[in-house]
Amino acid sequence: GAVVSQHPSRVICKSGTSVKIECRSLDFQATTMFWYRQFPKQSLMLMATSNEGSKATYEQGVEKDKFLINHASLTLSTLTVTSAHPEDSSFYICSARGGNTGELFFGEGSRLTVL
Amino acid sequence: AQRVTQPEKLLSVFKGAPVELKCNYSYSGSPELFWYVQYSRQRLQLLLRHISRESIKGFTADLNKGETSFHLKKPFAQEEDSAMYYCALSTGGTSYGKLTFGQGTILTVHP
Repeated sequence: GAVVSQHPSRVICKSGTSVKIECRSLDFQATTMFWYRQFPKQSLMLMATSNEGSKATYEQGVEKDKFLINHASLTLSTLTVTSAHPEDSSFYICSARGGNTGELFFGEGSRLTVL
Repeated sequence: AQRVTQPEKLLSVFKGAPVELKCNYSYSGSPELFWYVQYSRQRLQLLLRHISRESIKGFTADLNKGETSFHLKKPFAQEEDSAMYYCALSTGGTSYGKLTFGQGTILTVHP
């Protein structure tokens, strides 16, 4: 099946810095990707829909200036957590539709820890 | 707004026993329902979707619109079924791909 890859898988940063997480579709093109956030022992919550060549669509309650999403090509979407704070520490997961069935494929996730 | 509820955080069964993971949803329209599975240290992957009405790895799930449920069942659990299972809902159409997840159920199958 299609593969979605995230990088980095783990990142630790200091409070106030910005962190970029990449999501790549390795063997297919994805005009739309999705970013989820997962708190410990909780479910995944959709943060935003990343649209290639246009602005991302954010879910209610998600700060667009805090979580910058750029989908510059058909195989790459990036999530930048700006001015990170400890409460931004979480597991961030991206997904993209691929293959003949339009199935959603998920990345392996990126664990962000803000000190 | 749509909502997905998985009432059991943890579920333990013995190998060979039947297993049922419960999922209830609330949505005023016609949803698409999915079950995703996450094995230890692996990424989330699709197990099955209601529209395909197929059996994957011995698992089946039937959408019951009257009870707004989409329970996952397997008649004879195997140790390799131990994993985290998420029920998810999509409202379809232009929102296809935007999933609302349940809280997840950790299934443990004992030898």
